[in-house]
Amino acid sequence: GAVVSQHPSWVICKSGTSVKIECRSLDFQATTMFWYRQFPKQSLMLMATSNEGSKATYEQGVEKDKFLINHASLTLSTLTVTSAHPEDSSFYICSFRDRNYGYTFGSGTRLTVV
Amino acid sequence: QQPVQSPQAVILREGEDAVINCSSSKALYSVHWYRQKHGEAPVFLMILLKGGEQKGHDKISASFNEKKQQSSLYLTASQLSYSGTYFCGTTSGGGADGLTFGKGTHLIIQP
Repeated sequence: GAVVSQHPSWVICKSGTSVKIECRSLDFQATTMFWYRQFPKQSLMLMATSNEGSKATYEQGVEKDKFLINHASLTLSTLTVTSAHPEDSSFYICSFRDRNYGYTFGSGTRLTVV
Repeated sequence: QQPVQSPQAVILREGEDAVINCSSSKALYSVHWYRQKHGEAPVFLMILLKGGEQKGHDKISASFNEKKQQSSLYLTASQLSYSGTYFCGTTSGGGADGLTFGKGTHLIIQP
């Protein structure tokens, strides 16, 4: 099946710093990738859609200047949380759509901002 | 709009059956079912597409009633490994849309 590699698995950072999360599709060229956020005991919420070579599309209420998305190649998309604050602590998960396998998810990144 | 899942939680004995429902107020193109264990990423179970489908694998099956905008996931003779939170994710278009997830159904299987 389709494989997505997401790094890091977890990160602890100080308030005010920036954190970059990488998501790679290992066996599929992903024109479109998706970034989700999941707070404890809640559902996954779509943050943004990342299109290769163009600007990402953000869902309502998601600050594009705070969550920078770069999808420079068909196999790599990155999410940078800028000036992170404790309320940004969450589980961030990337996903891409594979026609054969539906939506494949990365393993997720647990961000803790202290 | 977020699809509505029911029940919110269910506790079963190993070997019992479970049904999880997912309904939407919007016309749906596809329904995707996932199981997530604590601290892990969601694991894909199956996808059902517009046109009305039923499919299954091993003891897990699902149906999609396009007219009613509803889908149900059926777990037969549940195993301990079935424990987790089940999410339905939906799309309303056939393009490259992200999934809109329900709030999840917590399933606990007891020995």
